[in-house]
Amino acid sequence: SAVISQKPSRDICQRGTSLTIQCQVDSQVTMMFWYRQQPGQSLTLIATANQGSEATYESGFVIDKFPISRPNLTFSTLTVSNMSPEDSSIYLCSVITTGPSTDTQYFGPGTRLTVL
Amino acid sequence: TQLLEQSPQFLSIQEGENLTVYCNSSSVFSSLQWYRQEPGEGPVLLVTVVTGGEVKKLKRLTFQFGDARKDSSLHITAAQPGDTGLYLCAGPPGGATNKLIFGTGTLLAVQP
Repeated sequence: SAVISQKPSRDICQRGTSLTIQCQVDSQVTMMFWYRQQPGQSLTLIATANQGSEATYESGFVIDKFPISRPNLTFSTLTVSNMSPEDSSIYLCSVITTGPSTDTQYFGPGTRLTVL
Repeated sequence: TQLLEQSPQFLSIQEGENLTVYCNSSSVFSSLQWYRQEPGEGPVLLVTVVTGGEVKKLKRLTFQFGDARKDSSLHITAAQPGDTGLYLCAGPPGGATNKLIFGTGTLLAVQP
């Protein structure tokens, strides 16, 4: 299993500013991901955070807007840059752990971001 | 692009009732997963189904994977207020093994 913590749990930010979200895992994991979720709605994958190399972004998401760091196997950060109200969302960190017969994906509690 | 459509989108029922949530796609998935998410928390994995026609039970929850591996269902018997939450199906797109696409979600409210 994996226990994931995120900081901050929520924030209210002004338009044009940037926010960095931290994700800490209690064990070393190869695969870390960042998702975005509107409250009560589904999750959209932003990017895969790769340790030692640049993140892999999904269609519609770019590094300039969502720079990601992955300095080691237990930690990652996601920055939401030059924020606008459209960036208001819940941002979730996730990891995959490999078991004897299947992989399991675990999620952090999320960071609720409101941009005014 | 592979999509996972869930129905219904919202469901409000009384304690003790039964319900079924559906997850449908036009594409074949190698496996499908079901998650439940409560307010202020991340999704938590309930089950993974990998074989067409497979049925798995988790207490009052029954999960089925369609024979063609394009759809899945979640049936809850005698729902309880603790079942309230957002239910999400998810699967690996295009056979990918290291990421998931998520369904549109079903928000369930069980009234006491």
